[in-house]
Amino acid sequence: RKEVEQDPGPFNVPEGATVAFNCTYSNSASQSFFWYRQDCRKEPKLLMSVYSSGNEDGRFTAQLNRASQYISLLIRDSKLSDSATYLCVGSGGSYIPTFGRGTSLIVHP
Amino acid sequence: NAGVTQTPKFQVLKTGQSMTLQCAQDMNHEYMSWYRQDPGMGLRLIHYSVGAGITDQGEVPNGYNVSRSTTEDFPLRLLSAAPSQTSVYFCASSWRLENTEAFFGQGTRLTVV
Repeated sequence: RKEVEQDPGPFNVPEGATVAFNCTYSNSASQSFFWYRQDCRKEPKLLMSVYSSGNEDGRFTAQLNRASQYISLLIRDSKLSDSATYLCVGSGGSYIPTFGRGTSLIVHP
Repeated sequence: NAGVTQTPKFQVLKTGQSMTLQCAQDMNHEYMSWYRQDPGMGLRLIHYSVGAGITDQGEVPNGYNVSRSTTEDFPLRLLSAAPSQTSVYFCASSWRLENTEAFFGQGTRLTVV
């Protein structure tokens, strides 16, 4: 079982919709969490960090639930340009970043 | 602003050939790593380094070697290419191991025939 699990999707939503992804992690010692975005055939790029107190950046909100061991990403007012794969990352007990398999989002007109 | 530079971008190898994927970063980052990405498998860690002269194995190290003689460079060597090594390879670097943003190279698409 991977240390970080994601629903691969695809999530197919219309423009303007709100969509949320969850990502579960198995190592309770994990300290740091991130969401990355990866466009087709491109390298991953950091979308946002996930803090214990939550993190909001415009239409994007990330939250951490340590009790249930998951992180979430909420995208409000989806745009066509949000279509991508979203990778969640957790650090293992040795701090080495572990990537989930990614969740595919398709935003359609 | 070069960031992380990977070469080559594309490569076709015959089974049994060896080659080196180059990775260089100009951000003075301590931590560098190599991943492979296969459909449905996500990014899997091959090898990583926490500083010059220090390397360690990741999740899928077999068939690959690395070295870190300088802070800037972290080449990945395929010793004897196999079709199972057909993948997209990404090099990444970050300021330190924990709790910092990773910057990725543009990737190398490798096909082994």
